[in-house]
Amino acid sequence: KAGVTQTPRYLIKTRGQQVTLSCSPISGHRSVSWYQQTPGQGLQFLFEYFSETQRNKGNFPGRFSGRQFSNSRSEMNVSTLELGDSALYLCASSLEGGLPYYSYEQYFGPGTRLTVT
Amino acid sequence: EDKVVQSPLSLVVHEGDTVTLNCSYEVTNFRSLLWYKQEKKAPTFLFMLTSSGIEKKSGRLSSILDKKELFSILNITATQTGDSAVYLCAVEAVVGGGADGLTFGKGTHLIIQP
Repeated sequence: KAGVTQTPRYLIKTRGQQVTLSCSPISGHRSVSWYQQTPGQGLQFLFEYFSETQRNKGNFPGRFSGRQFSNSRSEMNVSTLELGDSALYLCASSLEGGLPYYSYEQYFGPGTRLTVT
Repeated sequence: EDKVVQSPLSLVVHEGDTVTLNCSYEVTNFRSLLWYKQEKKAPTFLFMLTSSGIEKKSGRLSSILDKKELFSILNITATQTGDSAVYLCAVEAVVGGGADGLTFGKGTHLIIQP
C-alpha cells in the first residue's frame, strides 16, 4: 500500500507570495492533518480535515487555510508569505477522523520543505 | 494555553544503556498522550496512552502515563544505535464535541554512541 505523498518536496518562495501544498493520503484514509515543523517551535498542529470538512484547527493566522477533496486528497494554502513561514510542512493521514482516531496511528508523509526569502 | 514539556532536550548515552525520557503536560480536557519517533524523516507512531498506570510495551520500548501528576515516561532498554532519533510527546485534548488537535513537546534528541 502506498504511503502518504506530498508535493512538492521542496519549494522556494519570496515574501508576499502565496503557496499551495498538496497531500495524498493512504488509500482508504479519510482524515488528513497538517503540521508545521520549525527548529524553534517544534511540531505544531495546523488543522485536520475529515470528509471534506475542517474538524479541528490549531492556533495559526487566517493566512493558513486548507481544503479536502472528495477523494480525501488535501491542499494547504499559505497566502502573503512571511519569512517565519519557512518550515517543514507535514501531512498525516489516518483511517478515521475525530476522537481519538485522527491522532491514533497517524501516518506521516515526507513533508514539503518551504523556504521563504 | 495547552503546554507539553519534554526533558531532557538532548541525551547522549552508550549502546546498551537504559534511558528514560520525560513528558509533562498542562492541558484542559485531556484525551490521550502519544509518543512518536522522528529520525531524518516524518514521525512514526510509538504509543498512545489514555489510562494511568497501564504500561504499554513494544520490544525494548515501554511507556506509562500518570494522569494525577500529569506526566508520562518513555523507557528504552538495551539501547542500540538505531534508537538514535528525536522522540516527540504529544497530547490530545478535547474541546466540545471533537478533538482540539495535538500539542507537541519540543522533543528529546537521543544519541546512542557505539
